[in-house]
Amino acid sequence: VLTQSPAILSLSQGERATLSCKASQTVNSNYLAWYQQKSGQAPRLLVYGITTRATGVPDRFRGGGSGTDFTLTISSLEPEDYAVYYCQHYDHSPRYTFGQGTKLDI
Amino acid sequence: EVQLVQSGAEVKKSGESLKISCRGSGYNFPTYWIAWVRQKPGEGLEWMGIIYPRDSDTRYSPSFQGQVTISADKSTSSVYLEWSSLKASDTGMYFCASPGVMGSTPGALDFWGQGTMVTVSS
Repeated sequence: VLTQSPAILSLSQGERATLSCKASQTVNSNYLAWYQQKSGQAPRLLVYGITTRATGVPDRFRGGGSGTDFTLTISSLEPEDYAVYYCQHYDHSPRYTFGQGTKLDI
Repeated sequence: EVQLVQSGAEVKKSGESLKISCRGSGYNFPTYWIAWVRQKPGEGLEWMGIIYPRDSDTRYSPSFQGQVTISADKSTSSVYLEWSSLKASDTGMYFCASPGVMGSTPGALDFWGQGTMVTVSS
């Protein structure tokens, strides 16, 4: 189980955002990813392997953490960053588990 | 250009059957797993299952085992999600997505279809 907090994060443009994702068990093999989903769109992969940014993702997005505690940090919010963010874990069953999401609001 | 193109929106009644599709192009389709993900209106993402088109090896989330059928057709580069008897609770957006196609890892769904909205009325 992945638990994300907070459920809603209200911040202004230019501020720093820190989103949390806690796993109920240790994440093995660094299979922890983050997605961004804007209204009416498919999710977009932002970060995989805990820290690696996907192709084309700006460097203001940074993933971090280890074990059971992970974060996605957006260093300086831009207008296009307001969206819902999901963390996701993978095991080799294969099985994918998503957190319930954090809505980043103005 | 890598593409996952899904079939169009569906409006059905409870008890009816349905099969939606996801067609891949621009990459070696048979050698990448394709997953299905559900999103109910206003809710989060739920992984339903995954298929390897080369040999149709299929794995289901326990929450969806027995509720849906995932299949693949290599000849048309398509995967399918099928219901034999829809319920109102199946209403939602359904996405196909593939891990690793864009160079990430098997653990990340790095390419997504545009989604298929399924509406089931009771």
